[in-house]
Amino acid sequence: EAQVTQNPRYLITVTGKKLTVTCSQNMNHEYMSWYRQDPGLGLRQIYYSMNVEVTDKGDVPEGYKVSRKEKRNFPLILESPSPNQTSLYFCASSPTGDLYEQYFGPGTRLTVT
Amino acid sequence: DQQVKQNSPSLSVQEGRISILNCDYTNSMFDYFLWYKKYPAEGPTFLISISSIKDKNEDGRFTVFLNKSAKHLSLHIVPSQPGDSAVYFCAANAGKSTFGDGTTLTVKP
Repeated sequence: EAQVTQNPRYLITVTGKKLTVTCSQNMNHEYMSWYRQDPGLGLRQIYYSMNVEVTDKGDVPEGYKVSRKEKRNFPLILESPSPNQTSLYFCASSPTGDLYEQYFGPGTRLTVT
Repeated sequence: DQQVKQNSPSLSVQEGRISILNCDYTNSMFDYFLWYKKYPAEGPTFLISISSIKDKNEDGRFTVFLNKSAKHLSLHIVPSQPGDSAVYFCAANAGKSTFGDGTTLTVKP
């Protein structure tokens, strides 16, 4: 089944404790991205990757890191999480960039206390 | 400054009736528009799209209308079904996607 998977689905952590949210797709897509969803703000792009070893900042990259060492994986790293990073996070992939249809993962609900 | 706005946070309609979800944008450079549907505990899934060279695109019960002069996009669902109850996001593209806040549609049996 073609899909984007994210882990964990739910995470409660404390300020400053490094964490990684994994994202994997099995569709051989070149493009992958991370979004956060906050009430009243829609989906905002954090980082994106056009291909292996090619990443770039989205609209709200502060406090996040990403890497793209393999085509299928695109982990999101929070080196020192803060409460304002409490949010719902989505990973997405696409064969053609984000201009057209993207395939989203199920989301990761992160709470930073 | 939000470039894509869905001014109605929620909409409730009766089963069998028409649902109309609206989306306004400010950037005239947007040239491709999409609607996504999101169920609870799932990620958004693509529903329908339209290029700026068209003013209407239809796919079964779903039709998207684009009014470029008004910078307005709408999604019509006819007839609405209880399974259509979800959050609907519009997205506009000008080199990258910009999403609206979403509208929660509830279709009552």
